[in-house]
Amino acid sequence: DGGITQSPKYLFRKEGQNVTLSCEQNLNHDAMYWYRQDPGQGLRLIYYSQIVNDFQKGDIAEGYSVSREKKESFPLTVTSAQKNPTAFYLCASSQGGNQPQHFGDGTRLSIL
Amino acid sequence: SQQGEEDPQALSIQEGENATMNCSYKTSINNLQWYRQNSGRGLVHLILIRSNEREKHSGRLRVTLDTSKKSSSLLITASRAADTASYFCATFPNTGNQFYFGTGTSLTVIP
Repeated sequence: DGGITQSPKYLFRKEGQNVTLSCEQNLNHDAMYWYRQDPGQGLRLIYYSQIVNDFQKGDIAEGYSVSREKKESFPLTVTSAQKNPTAFYLCASSQGGNQPQHFGDGTRLSIL
Repeated sequence: SQQGEEDPQALSIQEGENATMNCSYKTSINNLQWYRQNSGRGLVHLILIRSNEREKHSGRLRVTLDTSKKSSSLLITASRAADTASYFCATFPNTGNQFYFGTGTSLTVIP
């Protein structure tokens, strides 16, 4: 069954700690995306990658970092520089450009 | 902001009634897509309408697009309790390289 897997489902971060959210897809999609969702604000783009070993900043990249070493994987690191990390994080993939996106079931990050 | 705006923010209807939600956006677009999100889950793609299309159907869903007014509507006919979810529009601008999601409409269908 093809799809996107995000883990963990829930994550807690301590002060000054970096945490990494996992996103894996087996849809053979070239493009992958990370979004942040806050209540009442819809989705905002953090980073996206159109091809392996390349990625671009979205609208709210500050305090986050990504890597794209494999086509299937696009992990997101929330660094200690991100002062308000509490949110629901969604990973998506697509065949690229303006094509429909397939989403994982999200990771909810909270501060301890 | 290039984000779309959905209207209404929340909608509550009886099972069997039709539900209409609207999306307005600011820039010229390549296409517009509607997504559904159940509570605590990821988004699911429902339908894509291109800028040269005016209406599209998929099962109980009907989407319209008016590029002169920069607006779209999503109609769900004969609603069911299982349609309870949040619905988002997403626009892909002609000059852009990413989607912009609206703030969503929360639909509650009462059995």
